[in-house]
Parts: sequence; structure tokens; C-alpha cells
Amino acid sequence: KAGVTQTPRYLIKTRGQQVTLSCSPISGHRSVSWYQQTPGQGLQFLFEYFSETQRNKGNFPGRFSGRQFSNSRSEMNVSTLELGDSALYLCASSPGQSAGANVLTFGAGSRLTVL
Amino acid sequence: DAKTTQPNSMESNEEEPVHLPCNHSTISGTDYIHWYRQLPSQGPEYVIHGLTSNVNNRMASLAIAEDRKSSTLILHRATLRDAAVYYCILSGGFSGGYNKLIFGAGTRLAVHP
Repeated sequence: KAGVTQTPRYLIKTRGQQVTLSCSPISGHRSVSWYQQTPGQGLQFLFEYFSETQRNKGNFPGRFSGRQFSNSRSEMNVSTLELGDSALYLCASSPGQSAGANVLTFGAGSRLTVL
Repeated sequence: DAKTTQPNSMESNEEEPVHLPCNHSTISGTDYIHWYRQLPSQGPEYVIHGLTSNVNNRMASLAIAEDRKSSTLILHRATLRDAAVYYCILSGGFSGGYNKLIFGAGTRLAVHP
């Protein structure tokens, strides 16, 4: 079956712009979570959505937001981009119904460069 | 959030077993122990997870200490493709709940031919 699809794979933006990243989960998966990976901070949890509701949120400023649609596809948005937002943004999907035992399947990521 | 401690790096030779240790002394009773790995230029990949008993799958084995304060990921015969960063993560219960994985720095495994 198809894996987790993230688009776009690469993008370049300038400071102050905003960006929207998209994630299509594995069919049947209702949970989508987002992670940011940078060389300095490693992999950090952004937020998780389950059945269109944000269920968990990491320690990121309000410029980072997300949403999930009824078909479980998710988008994340970063407004007023800063240089430090340059990172690999990873999306992961899972069935989502078991606290702790869920297996996450990650996409290949969207690499954002902010100039 | 409960933390895990792993060595920064390890080395192995091809076709030899590899034991990757992880300490999680503050684990709660409902935390699952997960292992993911990240190959270069890829997203993390699930390896194995367990709660209390040792687990085996086609990729690896997970040995969990009786007091659950530590665990070991075992790759039975390392291949060059196993060169990756391996993350030991606690999930669920008091470690953040659903799907909030707290990644540490992981262990970078080098496999030599």
C-alpha cells in the first residue's frame, strides 16, 4: 500500500513569507503528527491530529499551525518565516487509537530553506 | 516527559550481532519502549516496540530488563544497510500520550565491511 506522501519535497522561501506543507497519510490511518528536524535541535514534535482534532502540541510558537481534513490529510503552516525555520519537516501517520503502542510511519519529509 | 539515554555512537562489522543499549530509568508503567532508525536522507523508520516482554520481529529483537529501566535493541547480523541513527523512545502513558514521540540524539551506528 502507498506510504506517507509529503509535498512539496523541497522549497525555498524568504524571511517573512509563509509556507504550507501537505501530508497524505496511509489509507485508513486517522492520526497525523508533524516533526521538525534540524542539525542543532534534532527531531522535535510539533503537533498531532486525530479525526480533525489537535490532540497533542509541542513547544513551538503560534506561527506554527496545522489542521486535518475529513479524509485525514493534513497541512501545516508556518507564518512569518524566520531563518531558524529552515529544517526538514516530517509527517507521520498511524492508526492512532492506542496510547503508546501506535507504530508511526514517516514520510520522506519536506525540506524548507528560508533565505 | 520521560527521557532515554543512549551512547552517541557505536561501530560494528558486517554480519556480526549488534547490541544497542538504552537507559530509561524514569519510565512509567504505561510507557511503551519504541525503537526507530533513520537512514541518511530518509525519514525515521519503525524498528520494534515492546512493553514488558522481549519482542522479536523480522528486523530485530528487543530485550527489556525486568525492572524496565533499560532495554537493548539487538540486530542479529548487521548489514551495511543497517548503518543509521537509532532512536530509543518512550511513548504513551506519562511520556506525552498519543503519538508524541520525544526523540533524543540517538545512537549513530557505523557498520564496516
